Order: sequence, then structure tokens, then C-alpha cells
Amino acid sequence: GENVEQHPSTLSVQEGDSAVIKCTYSDSASNYFPWYKQELGKRPQLIIDIRSNVGEKKDQRIAVTLNKTAKHFSLHITETQPEDSAVYFCAASKTAAGNKLTFGGGTRVLVKP
Amino acid sequence: NAGVTQTPKFRVLKTGQSMTLLCAQDMNHEYMYWYRQDPGMGLRLIHYSVGEGTTAKGEVPDGYNVSRLKKQNFLLGLESAAPSQTSVYFCASRDSGWGYTFGSGTRLTVV
Repeated sequence: GENVEQHPSTLSVQEGDSAVIKCTYSDSASNYFPWYKQELGKRPQLIIDIRSNVGEKKDQRIAVTLNKTAKHFSLHITETQPEDSAVYFCAASKTAAGNKLTFGGGTRVLVKP
Repeated sequence: NAGVTQTPKFRVLKTGQSMTLLCAQDMNHEYMYWYRQDPGMGLRLIHYSVGEGTTAKGEVPDGYNVSRLKKQNFLLGLESAAPSQTSVYFCASRDSGWGYTFGSGTRLTVV
């Protein structure tokens, strides 16, 4: 089955700096890659996603890039703010029975004011 | 429109006890999922359903059973709870699109 690895596990940045989280996946048939943000004690919330026919997608301060050849994708957060502090999860799935998401292990991001 | 609702929010069980977690969605979604979340391990899929009356095993199904008798409800059962099942359980649903909508979670402790 699919295996998703996520790095780093923790990331501390100064407010205003950029943060980058990287994920690799194993199943070349995967074609959907969402990113979730989870604040302490809350549910995961979808913040951005990308499909395999797109190389990059941006939404205000966040962007995701996908390299299908290398089987990795990344989340970029620019001009970080204290409210960006949370755990971020990448995930991957493919068009198949269930469209199940396989998640990475998560990255705890701390934005220092 | 409540989205995805999980009950209960918290529960403490003794080893060997049984319980059922309820997930209800009011979005008419076909697909529903149960995940468990443990520290440092992300979310792992327990069971899922692609429609009313269907269920399938995920990555970590042992010790759990599920039922989807009604389209809006997806039940997760623990027949004989074990300390290894201490976790936060999240239910999610999805429509014909791709994004999941998660419930608020159930924090289960087995002592």
C-alpha cells in the first residue's frame, strides 16, 4: 500500500520567515495530495490540495508544489504568523475504491513572535 | 448543517469492556472513514465505507468492527477494549469531490 513520509517532524521559525514541509510518497498511481492543519485539540482542516496534473498551486501565503517524477510534494508558508503554529499533515490518495487518504506523520510548526 | 458529528467526545473504558463510537453526517456523503491518531504517527485508517451497507478494512482494522446501516451513520465498535486502543478517533466523510470533512474527534482512554 501507499507510504507517505513527512519531514521535518518539528519546525521552529521566526515570525515573518518562510516554512517548508516536505513529503514523499511511494505509490506512483497516487494523484491527489492534500495538506491539513490541526490546531491543538481540534480536528484536521484542509488548507490546500493539489492534483497530479498540476505542478504548483498557491492560495495567499501558502503554496504546494508537486514533483511526480521524484514522488515528492512540499508545502510552503510565507510570511509566517503566530496563528500558523499548528501540526501540519500531508496525505496522498489515488482514484480507486474508497479514495483512501494515507497521511504522513505530521510536522509541528512553531512560529515565534 | 452540522457537518460531521462524533459521539461521545471523551470516554474512559476498562480493559475488556466494549463500546460503540457514532459518526453522523448530514451532507449526504457516500464515503465515510474512521481514523485513529496517535502521537507522532499521523492518522491511520481503521475501516471505511463507500456507501450504505458497505464496509472495508483499512490499515489497522484489528480489534475494531464497523457498520453502515444508514447512509448518514458510520459506527465503530470495540468488542473488547485493550490499552493499545487508547487514542483519538476521527471520523471523516467525503462526497464526489476529494476533500475530507472531519468530525471533532473522540478521545478514548483504556485503563
